[in-house]
Amino acid sequence: GAVVSQHPSRVICKSGTSVKIECRSLDFQATTMFWYRQFPKQSLMLMATSNEGSKATYEQGVEKDKFLINHASLTLSTLTVTSAHPEDSSFYICSASIPGSGKYTFGSGTRLTVV
Amino acid sequence: ELKVEQNPLFLSMQEGKNYTIYCNYSTTSDRLYWYRQDPGKSLESLFVLLSNGAVKQEGRLMASLDTKARLSTLHITAAVHDLSATYFCAVSYTGNQFYFGTGTSLTVIP
Repeated sequence: GAVVSQHPSRVICKSGTSVKIECRSLDFQATTMFWYRQFPKQSLMLMATSNEGSKATYEQGVEKDKFLINHASLTLSTLTVTSAHPEDSSFYICSASIPGSGKYTFGSGTRLTVV
Repeated sequence: ELKVEQNPLFLSMQEGKNYTIYCNYSTTSDRLYWYRQDPGKSLESLFVLLSNGAVKQEGRLMASLDTKARLSTLHITAAVHDLSATYFCAVSYTGNQFYFGTGTSLTVIP
């Protein structure tokens, strides 16, 4: 089945540094990928939608300069958290629509801790 | 603004009992999804409901969709401990995007 590989699964970084999270579609081409953030015991909040070869569309309230999204190929999207702060600590999950199925597949998630 | 609300938010039920989780959404959509999430894990797809009146069943879980009422239900039959998890509904909107419900944390107790 369609699989999205996300890594790293866990990352701890110092305040002020940047962290890059990668999502790769392994056996299909993902023209659109989605990035979500989930705080403990809360729902998933859509941060942005990335389309291959174009600028990402950010949801209201999400800082595009802080959360840089790049979708340079049909199989790779990246989320870079720039100048991370402790309040950015969260679980980040990517997702991709599976072409022709109406379904979505999710990455395994990245637990980011900023100290 | 699209809102997707679930209730209850927390559910503790005894093994062997039945219960229903409700998912209400505010804007017309004809595609609804149910997912399961175990602690610290990503999402597992359970059901995709594509049309009004759709009903799908897998094991002890059954999902239904009423697009006129903007309501989906996830019914649990004869709960077992392995069903303990958080369940999310999600509604597709404006093309590829979709939005998640508030989640229902289910605990099945002996």
